[in-house]
Amino acid sequence: QVQLQESGPGLVKPSETLSLTCTVSGDSINGYYWNWIRQPPGKGLEWIGYIYYSGSTNYNPSLMSRVTISVDTSKSQFSLKLSSVTAADTAVYYCARRGYGIRAFDYWGQGTLVTVSS
Amino acid sequence: EIVLTQSPGTLSLSPGERATLSCRTSQSVSGTYLAWYQQKPGQAPRLLIYGASTRATGIPDRFSGSGSGTDFTLTISRLEPEDFAVYYCQQYVNSPPITFGQGTRLEIK
Repeated sequence: QVQLQESGPGLVKPSETLSLTCTVSGDSINGYYWNWIRQPPGKGLEWIGYIYYSGSTNYNPSLMSRVTISVDTSKSQFSLKLSSVTAADTAVYYCARRGYGIRAFDYWGQGTLVTVSS
Repeated sequence: EIVLTQSPGTLSLSPGERATLSCRTSQSVSGTYLAWYQQKPGQAPRLLIYGASTRATGIPDRFSGSGSGTDFTLTISRLEPEDFAVYYCQQYVNSPPITFGQGTRLEIK
């Protein structure tokens, strides 16, 4: 059973950098695209970006200037950094796997709420 | 950016009834790139349908997807109590960004 688990601080100050890690278990990280998706409280889903296990990335243009996604295959982890955060970045952050051969997210982490506040 | 518009915003139905949810895309999308998710309060979304009409693993056959071009539909043939949730469509065309619809809330009447 594939499991994804987000970890990182639940509170970040404005103008600082949000950092989260997703740990993958139950399957190899190799061969897949790994994504970050967020959901502001009471709102819809926004795709942040993905990283292929080999390290290639693709980001949402609306966030591209502030986002970095990296992968550590030896630890079966991938990470998100979002710089210069504001209150508008307050959201539940999910990591998710794009299913093999499909254009959809078949496994998701439980999500972690990150609040931006001083 | 491809914009997805879901309708209705809220759908009020009773258990046993049929639910029809719509997703319209701002430009034509191959069905290969259209998916549907279910989200319950406090939970992550769950993949229901990918490729516009293929049920994900473990999804009951009362859920079905259809459509092409710019108009896609998720149908729940006979609502069970556990089906009341928010449903999102999503497109995954090659060019970024991947986008989601704003969601349809399916509530008990």
